[in-house]
Amino acid sequence: QVQLVESGGGVVQPGRSLRLSCAASGFTFNYYAINWVRQAPGKGLEWVAQTSNDGSNKFYADSVKGRFTISRDNSKNTLYLQINTLSDEDTAVYYCARAGASPYFDSWGQGTLVTVSS
Amino acid sequence: QSALTQPRSVSGSPGQSVTISCTGSSSDVGGYHYVSWYQQPPGKAPKLMIYDVSQRPSGVPDRFSASKSGNTASLTISGLQAEDEADYYCCSYAGSYTFVFGGGTKLTVL
Repeated sequence: QVQLVESGGGVVQPGRSLRLSCAASGFTFNYYAINWVRQAPGKGLEWVAQTSNDGSNKFYADSVKGRFTISRDNSKNTLYLQINTLSDEDTAVYYCARAGASPYFDSWGQGTLVTVSS
Repeated sequence: QSALTQPRSVSGSPGQSVTISCTGSSSDVGGYHYVSWYQQPPGKAPKLMIYDVSQRPSGVPDRFSASKSGNTASLTISGLQAEDEADYYCCSYAGSYTFVFGGGTKLTVL
């Protein structure tokens, strides 16, 4: 079955950087676009970024453009999210979510919590 | 990329029906046939319930149905069950490979 497992979260000081990972299994990873979606504590979902199946195309929400970088290593079945210059507003659970055949998210990981705090 | 508008909460008794609305604009909900809905129980990851406005993935009960009219999409849950209690989020494609979610609706089964 499809499995997405995020890792890399934790407590980070403002201004520092962090890289999140999402390990995929149970499907042919290089066939699918993959997304990052985040959820601040007690708040709603926010789409963050998407990478195409081969990593050649990347798309970002305006709120993270320039600070976040999505990437993937298809040889390792792993998705990444590099977050630079962390601020309080980046405190959230970060989910990776597989793209469906049309614009939707058909499978989600359990998320990894990033807490930005001094 | 303003969030889509959903009611903060809805409630219903077991067996009843509830409808959750999701209002956007012609740049998202009204402009594409790509509205999806997600169920998120407390402390858990979201789960896809509806895609392409009204399509149900395999395994989702037919008690869940959805539609769209103009800039507003709607999710209806009929025959409410206790297990339906969760947060529900709509999401729309917004062009240029971007997406926008609604603010979420808390469903309480009385």
